[in-house]
Amino acid sequence: RKEVEQDPGPFNVPEGATVAFNCTYSNSASQSFFWYRQDCRKEPKLLMSVYSSGNEDGRFTAQLNRASQYISLLIRDSKLSDSATYLCVVTPGSGNTGKLIFGQGTTLQVKP
Amino acid sequence: GAVVSQHPSWVICKSGTSVKIECRSLDFQATTMFWYRQFPKQSLMLMATSNEGSKATYEQGVEKDKFLINHASLTLSTLTVTSAHPEDSSFYICSAPRGTNEKLFFGSGTQLSVL
Repeated sequence: RKEVEQDPGPFNVPEGATVAFNCTYSNSASQSFFWYRQDCRKEPKLLMSVYSSGNEDGRFTAQLNRASQYISLLIRDSKLSDSATYLCVVTPGSGNTGKLIFGQGTTLQVKP
Repeated sequence: GAVVSQHPSWVICKSGTSVKIECRSLDFQATTMFWYRQFPKQSLMLMATSNEGSKATYEQGVEKDKFLINHASLTLSTLTVTSAHPEDSSFYICSAPRGTNEKLFFGSGTQLSVL
């Protein structure tokens, strides 16, 4: 079983749509949780951290459910520029600070 | 601007040759750097943790004699793919933590194609 699992998609949505991505992780001791965005053959860029209390950044809302080991990302009012691969990322429960475990990524294609 | 510089951005080489990839922290010192590999449509997989002044720590399944890592200074880590083969063709990317919260910064990645 993969440590971080995501639906690879692709998700094809029209501009203005709301889209949700899900992610599950296997290590209950995982410490930190993030969503990254990666454009084709580019470095991943931090989109937002994810907290149990939930957090929002503009059109983006992230949620963490530790009991279910489940992370979500909601994008409202999708823009063409949101087209990318969204990576669910966790850090291990112990060991190296900065060591990240990436999900496969979910591809989003926003169409006009 | 970029805080982690990675070179080259892409490289094409013949099978059997060695390729060196550099990762530099530009305005901070990085005692630790991380090297990842990403095959098409797959996730980034951690290959190894580069430690300044000591041996790198390799993840399970990564051949340390094939992927040589050197972290001789606080701002530079290098990954050398020795005797490259077509199956080594991949996107290689480094990262380094910076600041008290050790936020991770990524290099721009290197696309390696082995013919």
